[in-house]
Amino acid sequence: GESVGLHLPTLSVQEGDNSIINCAYSNSASDYFIWYKQESGKGPQFIIDIRSNMDKRQGQRVTVLLNKTVKHLSLQIAATQPGDSAVYFCADVGGATNKLIFGTGTLLAVQP
Amino acid sequence: ETGVTQTPRHLVMGMTNKKSLKCEQHLGHNAMYWYKQSAKKPLELMFVYSLEERVENNSVPSRFSPECPNSSHLFLHLHTLQPEDSALYLCASSQVQGETQYFGPGTRLLVL
Repeated sequence: GESVGLHLPTLSVQEGDNSIINCAYSNSASDYFIWYKQESGKGPQFIIDIRSNMDKRQGQRVTVLLNKTVKHLSLQIAATQPGDSAVYFCADVGGATNKLIFGTGTLLAVQP
Repeated sequence: ETGVTQTPRHLVMGMTNKKSLKCEQHLGHNAMYWYKQSAKKPLELMFVYSLEERVENNSVPSRFSPECPNSSHLFLHLHTLQPEDSALYLCASSQVQGETQYFGPGTRLLVL
């Protein structure tokens, strides 16, 4: 069935280090992937997206990598800052439903 | 700010009360969504509206009743809720179904 899941529920990093958050998806028809960030008390905020015709996309301090062969998605955050502390969700869209399927999220904790 | 607003931000209600959640988007989008977010669970899609027509109802109990009077506004009418309905209710919008969704801050609901 369709599902999007995250390997690590909690990731703790030191300020200034790079962070990598991973995500696995199961729907081979998925063609669009999105990363969201959710801070405490707020709704999910769009970070970056990638379509299946690409394997890498860069934003400001963030990079998303897509490996369609193993159905794996990752979010890399460079020089992690305390303000990056949040729950990060991946979501995929694909097939006939056009629904976003979300995982449970990974909590990123940045240690000063 | 994402351009999606929700009111109220917090709501406490008894099981016999009737209340409504309001969502407004200022992005000119054509699709709007209601999600339920409970602790340690993935986001649960409740309802989808596209061009003011309900296109999806994910087996949501009838005590939740959505209304979309125009493309900018979405309501969720609540009546005779149960304590297990306590959660964060998120509204989102997208240009069309299947595209990036932008979320509001949510309404934190507590049912006593």
